[in-house]
Amino acid sequence: KAGVTQTPRYLIKTRGQQVTLSCSPISGHRSVSWYQQTPGQGLQFLFEYFSETQRNKGNFPGRFSGRQFSNSRSEMNVSTLELGDSALYLCASGMQGLGNTEAFFGQGTRLTVV
Amino acid sequence: KQEVTQIPAALSVPEGENLVLNCSFTDSAIYNLQWFRQDPGKGLTSLLLIQSSQREQTSGRLNASLDKSSGRSTLYIAASQPGDSATYLCAVGDMRFGAGTRLTVKP
Repeated sequence: KAGVTQTPRYLIKTRGQQVTLSCSPISGHRSVSWYQQTPGQGLQFLFEYFSETQRNKGNFPGRFSGRQFSNSRSEMNVSTLELGDSALYLCASGMQGLGNTEAFFGQGTRLTVV
Repeated sequence: KQEVTQIPAALSVPEGENLVLNCSFTDSAIYNLQWFRQDPGKGLTSLLLIQSSQREQTSGRLNASLDKSSGRSTLYIAASQPGDSATYLCAVGDMRFGAGTRLTVKP
């Protein structure tokens, strides 16, 4: 069974640009959650989607948004990039909602903003 | 708001030693607790999931326990190996993460 797939693996963007990251969950999983990981802040929860609906949202500005498609694939978008957005972005999938089931993570997308 | 703390922040042990990693949380109303390992620059690998009704889970050399009443979980690693070197993270409830314990096992 294929794991969680995140694309692309690496990205370099310029300040002010926008970026879209993709996450394909394990087949049959309906929950996809997104996290930002930085050396200073650790792993921080961005948002969770379940059956195309955003169910939970972390404490991030509106520049961070996401969506989930009917096949459970999810995208995360960051607009007007700032240097501080440089991070490893991870997504996780699960059969049930966040915290109710085992979560499986992708390998992440390393975003560098210059 | 759930606060998750992991102690110690870093640990270095010689190969073969048994060790315990700690995870404490403030809100005991959780559905489950999950332990992960993360290698540098990589994603998280799920190690063990403990449901709220369970006291412990075992997988190979790993044993995780959960005490909801005291807000604590421990991850026990038996006979540590250099390949166990990684950062270990616990996630509580709705995936609130601790800062992790960076483990180094020296040959």
